[in-house]
Amino acid sequence: KQEVTQIPAALSVPEGENLVLNCSFTDSAIYNLQWFRQDPGKGLTSLLLIQSSQREQTSGRLNASLDKSSGRSTLYIAASQPGDSATYLCAVRTGANNLFFGTGTRLTVIP
Amino acid sequence: GAGVSQSPRYKVAKRGQDVALRCDPISGHVSLFWYQQALGQGPEFLTYFQNEAQLDKSGLPSDRFFAERPEGSVSTLKIQRTQQEDSAVYLCASSLLRRGTGGPRQFFGPGTRLTVL
Repeated sequence: KQEVTQIPAALSVPEGENLVLNCSFTDSAIYNLQWFRQDPGKGLTSLLLIQSSQREQTSGRLNASLDKSSGRSTLYIAASQPGDSATYLCAVRTGANNLFFGTGTRLTVIP
Repeated sequence: GAGVSQSPRYKVAKRGQDVALRCDPISGHVSLFWYQQALGQGPEFLTYFQNEAQLDKSGLPSDRFFAERPEGSVSTLKIQRTQQEDSAVYLCASSLLRRGTGGPRQFFGPGTRLTVL
């Protein structure tokens, strides 16, 4: 069974810092990888989706990379803002249609 | 535009009661997924529909869990004889269908928070 791990579990940074969130997965035979944001009491907002044939995706201050062979992905957030405070989840899709999620990184950006 | 909606947003049930959770996917989305998210954990897959067909129910934790999507749009997740361990947030997601490698983005609803007393 696919196992997805995210480190760190929690991260606190001052406003304006650049930061990196890590995600690793055990089975490299993935179709795609998604990064999501989850605010307390809310659903999941998709931030970036990287297909298995791609190496990275960028959206605004966010950049996600994928190294499928080593089973790793990183989410880079530039110039962090208090509004970025949330839990960030990564998820991989394998041969089945469903997603396997990590347990998330809880990010706090201090003003 | 309208996203995925779920109702109720919150549900409190006494142990042993039956509950029904509703999901309205994005119009035109063929695929529909249910996930269960326990406190402090990532979501875990429960079941998957393609139109009205339930193609994968391998994640349903017991035969007390039942899902349906009779007309290929709205879906209902039913839990019979609820237990305390069923307390979680139940998330619904929908997506377009794209065959082959890769895969479409899944769009998630706000979830239903179920508390079983």
